[in-house]
Amino acid sequence: NAGVTQTPKFRVLKTGQSMTLLCAQDMNHEYMYWYRQDPGMGLRLIHYSVGEGTTAKGEVPDGYNVSRLKKQNFLLGLESAAPSQTSVYFCASSYAGRETQYFGPGTRLLVL
Amino acid sequence: RKEVEQDPGPFNVPEGATVAFNCTYSNSASQSFFWYRQDCRKEPKLLMSVYSSGNEDGRFTAQLNRASQYISLLIRDSKLSDSATYLCVVNLGQNFVFGPGTRLSVLP
Repeated sequence: NAGVTQTPKFRVLKTGQSMTLLCAQDMNHEYMYWYRQDPGMGLRLIHYSVGEGTTAKGEVPDGYNVSRLKKQNFLLGLESAAPSQTSVYFCASSYAGRETQYFGPGTRLLVL
Repeated sequence: RKEVEQDPGPFNVPEGATVAFNCTYSNSASQSFFWYRQDCRKEPKLLMSVYSSGNEDGRFTAQLNRASQYISLLIRDSKLSDSATYLCVVNLGQNFVFGPGTRLSVLP
């Protein structure tokens, strides 16, 4: 099993450009999450999904959109990137809401 | 007040030392609790879940005090490989809240 994978691993964007980050899990987990991690801030939840076709906002959802069309995939979109979105993005999944989360390796995004 | 707070750190300890990390949470409806470990530039990984009765895994002991809304992690006989950031994590039902982490450096 690959666990949780993320693509791309690293990306540089110019302000105003758009991109999609892909998260995939092969553990048949219902729940999936997108976080961002900034120095001194810890991980902050952007959006999450409790099952295929569902999404919900987390703590810092502004500027991001998500989709969960297939159970194994959770996409995070940036429609118009801003320098404030420079961060490390982690995807995670869990079998149920209170269970252990498994993280992907992260995507480092730099917005110039 | 932040939902999950941790010792600010960093903790610099010699090999073999015992070190304790503290964490407090503000939401009394929190349902489950975890300690994660994060190495530099890597993803967080589960270290252990925390149960009300307390639990131990080798050199690691976790305690939960629901009345005080307090979680602790004790590491005995520290190893160089224990150097990492330790994240306190609280579950609120459908999502998780992470503390800012406490960095530990174990020195030879």
